[in-house]
Amino acid sequence: NAGVTQTPKFQVLKTGQSMTLQCAQDMNHEYMSWYRQDPGMGLRLIHYSVGAGITDQGEVPNGYNVSRSTTEDFPLRLLSAAPSQTSVYFCASSPGLAGGHGELFFGEGSRLTVL
Amino acid sequence: KQEVTQIPAALSVPEGENLVLNCSFTDSAIYNLQWFRQDPGKGLTSLLLIQSSQREQTSGRLNASLDKSSGRSTLYIAASQPGDSATYLCAVPRGSEKLVFGKGMKLTVNP
Repeated sequence: NAGVTQTPKFQVLKTGQSMTLQCAQDMNHEYMSWYRQDPGMGLRLIHYSVGAGITDQGEVPNGYNVSRSTTEDFPLRLLSAAPSQTSVYFCASSPGLAGGHGELFFGEGSRLTVL
Repeated sequence: KQEVTQIPAALSVPEGENLVLNCSFTDSAIYNLQWFRQDPGKGLTSLLLIQSSQREQTSGRLNASLDKSSGRSTLYIAASQPGDSATYLCAVPRGSEKLVFGKGMKLTVNP
């Protein structure tokens, strides 16, 4: 029972490079989301999706891009990495369409450092 | 704007104590409230989800209560153990698609 799987677990980038953080869930959840966690700032929502083909912005979407072509996958793309994007990124999913109303399941996190 | 506060930010206790962790929120019109646990270097694990129509939810040694009118929730941990050491976060929905998280309380249970 894998749940929410994130890859890679660790990544170091140089400023200006691009990369994709992968997220996959095997629970057939419609709702998926990306958060970043920073010391003193807590968890902040980047983007979310309520189903395949539907995405929307969260609190801190700038510099990030998402797509949702399947129910299972929700990749997060960093277009041109900046040191301010150094953070721990979490993918989370929830049953039903109202992600704020259901139990949220998190992945183990992806730790990104931008030099 | 919904804000979630957890005080204190850290707590250190000897093993065996019964603990009360606090969570307060500014907008009482919430659909539910969740408590999470986060171990160092790990993701968040959902502990309890309390619907707005409920006053309490229990799982093993954990009991969470919800008082919407006062904007408070408490997580009660009975007979604490070193394995309970972790950061505990609470979260409430903002609208139907988002959660607002507290910054967490780091708990250390000493043997």
